[in-house]
Amino acid sequence: DVKVTQSSRYLVKRTGEKVFLECVQDMDHENMFWYRQDPGLGLRLIYFSYDVKMKEKGDIPEGYSVSREKKERFSLILESASTNQTSMYLCASMGPNQPQHFGDGTRLSIL
Amino acid sequence: RKEVEQDPGPFNVPEGATVAFNCTYSNSASQSFFWYRQDCRKEPKLLMSVYSSGNEDGRFTAQLNRASQYISLLIRDSKLSDSATYLCVVIKGGSYIPTFGRGTSLIVHP
Repeated sequence: DVKVTQSSRYLVKRTGEKVFLECVQDMDHENMFWYRQDPGLGLRLIYFSYDVKMKEKGDIPEGYSVSREKKERFSLILESASTNQTSMYLCASMGPNQPQHFGDGTRLSIL
Repeated sequence: RKEVEQDPGPFNVPEGATVAFNCTYSNSASQSFFWYRQDCRKEPKLLMSVYSSGNEDGRFTAQLNRASQYISLLIRDSKLSDSATYLCVVIKGGSYIPTFGRGTSLIVHP
């Protein structure tokens, strides 16, 4: 079974802080993704990565950056957290021609 | 037109009912199709892939209609535990970026 682990289930940070969300997968997948999910808006893709050190912007990359230094780990960084980044953040990984597998999600609150 | 569209519902059905959801997609080059289930405040989990010939997994049946560009999910003999949001996912040929529908909410009541 694919295991995707996100570092925190719940996180509370203050406006202006730099926030790191970590995601690790154990299936040697090339493709990893970060989404946010808000009520009524569905899943929105922030960034994705198709290989180590490779990254591509998704639909809503503003205010975020990512890091993929190792194949199993994909980090999402909020450079200067703002209240409109309060959301559920979901990491996913995917092998070739396979469906995505998601982590448990991180509920992030920015105060 | 959105790339992947679903009726948000909610579909409110009694236990034991049969319920069906459709999901339409706009890109005719779409190649891979999936249904996910998402419980409240949890992550989406793969329910089933959708194959061209249609496929069944217990009480769940998925179908693909390429001519009309939609996929469907049929749930027979609904259980209370089937209450969830069902997300349709489409991947375009040559891409590895899934496109998610916004989900259809199902509520099964006693």
